[in-house]
Amino acid sequence: QVQLVQSGAEVKKPGASVKVSCKASAYTFTNYNMHWVRQAPGQGLEWMGIIRPSGDSTIQMFQGRLTMTRDTSTSTVYMELSSLRSEDTALYYCAREPTLGYNFDQWGQGTLVTVSS
Amino acid sequence: EIVLTQSPGTLSLSPGERATLSCRASQSVSSTYLAWYQQKPGQAPRLIIHGASSRATGIPDRFSGSGSGTDFTLTISRLEPEDFAVYYCQQYGSSYIFGQGTKLEIK
Repeated sequence: QVQLVQSGAEVKKPGASVKVSCKASAYTFTNYNMHWVRQAPGQGLEWMGIIRPSGDSTIQMFQGRLTMTRDTSTSTVYMELSSLRSEDTALYYCAREPTLGYNFDQWGQGTLVTVSS
Repeated sequence: EIVLTQSPGTLSLSPGERATLSCRASQSVSSTYLAWYQQKPGQAPRLIIHGASSRATGIPDRFSGSGSGTDFTLTISRLEPEDFAVYYCQQYGSSYIFGQGTKLEIK
C-alpha cells in the first residue's frame, strides 16, 4: 500500500536549519505533487508549499527560509527550513496530492521539530 | 485570500447521535476543491471527503458531505466511538487553506 515515511524527530537551536525527509513507496513517485503541512502544538493545520513532479515548487510565506527538493532516484522529498525560531516548533507532515488534485490523500506520520535554546 | 471558518469549535454528542459540522468560506469556492479531514490524537490527518461530497476510499457511508458556494457541511449520521476526533475542512483557491477545526467530543 502507499506509504510516506518521514525522518525522525529533531531538536534544533534558534537560528539553525533542519532538513526533513519523506520517502514514498508503492506508487509512481513522479506522477504526483507532494506538499508539506505543519501543525504547531495544539493548533490547526498550516499549508507550507508544494513540489511538483517537474521539481518546481511553490512556497507560502516563510520569507525565503523554506526549500523543498526531491530525489526521484529514491522517491524522496525533502523540506529544509532555515533560521529557525521558537515558533517553528511543530509537527511537519508530507502529504500527497491525488491525480484529480486539490486535496491530500496520503500523509506521512509527521516529524516533530523542536526549536529551543 | 479565502478564509474558512468552521463551527462549532467544539461539538459534544453521544454515540448514536447525528453530527453536523459547518465550514463557511469568506468567498465562493468551487465544490471540486473542498475537502474534509479527520484527525485523531497522535495521528496524521485522514482524508474523508473530497469534491465536497465524495467519500474517500474506505470511508464508511455514515459520513457525508454537502454544500456549495460559501457553505459546506460534514454530516456523520450515527456517531461511532471511533468518530470522536478533530475535523478540518480545506479548500484550494490560489492556495491551500484549512479551517481552524471542529473538535467532536463525547458527551
